[in-house]
Amino acid sequence: QKEVEQDPGPLSVPEGAIVSLNCTYSNSAFQYFMWYRQYSRKGPELLMYTYSSGNKEDGRFTAQVDKSSKYISLFIRDSQPSDSATYLCAMIYAGGTSYGKLTFGQGTILTVHP
Amino acid sequence: DVKVTQSSRYLVKRTGEKVFLECVQDMDHENMFWYRQDPGLGLRLIYFSYDVKMKEKGDIPEGYSVSREKKERFSLILESASTNQTSMYLCASSSVGVQGGIRETQYFGPGTRLLVL
Repeated sequence: QKEVEQDPGPLSVPEGAIVSLNCTYSNSAFQYFMWYRQYSRKGPELLMYTYSSGNKEDGRFTAQVDKSSKYISLFIRDSQPSDSATYLCAMIYAGGTSYGKLTFGQGTILTVHP
Repeated sequence: DVKVTQSSRYLVKRTGEKVFLECVQDMDHENMFWYRQDPGLGLRLIYFSYDVKMKEKGDIPEGYSVSREKKERFSLILESASTNQTSMYLCASSSVGVQGGIRETQYFGPGTRLLVL
């Protein structure tokens, strides 16, 4: 079983829809959670970063963490064609000697059509 | 503006060739990473380095080696390329901060798409 599982998609939605992207994880040592966005033929870029359980909002994006269920989500409101990309969840252990090593989900390809 | 550059965007090599992928970052970051990205598998860590001349194996180091002679440069070497090493290779860097802190955000290069024939 992978440490981080991400809904594979692909996901295709109409412009203006609310998008929900999800990841589950098995190791409670993960304490810091990130969402990266990757446009076609580009490297991933950090979109959202969260630590505690609860919600964090940034414009149309909301990151949600539920540590008791080991479940994280990214919501996109009023989705736009420019949101079309691959979304990757990523996590870091707290403590130990991980040297900032991230563990990624498999990525979800999102297409928002006009 | 942070910048991670990779020497090539596309490479075509033949089976058995020695392949060098170069990565340079201009952010004075301590940590550097090499990943490969394959459909359905996400990003998998090959090697990482937390200091000059230091390296640690990631999750899939077999068939690869790395070199870090200078802080800003991290090279990935395929000693004898094979067709199953056809992939997108991504380099990333991060600074050293509080464990798991935002300073440990990884910044990625644009990737090198390698085709081994």
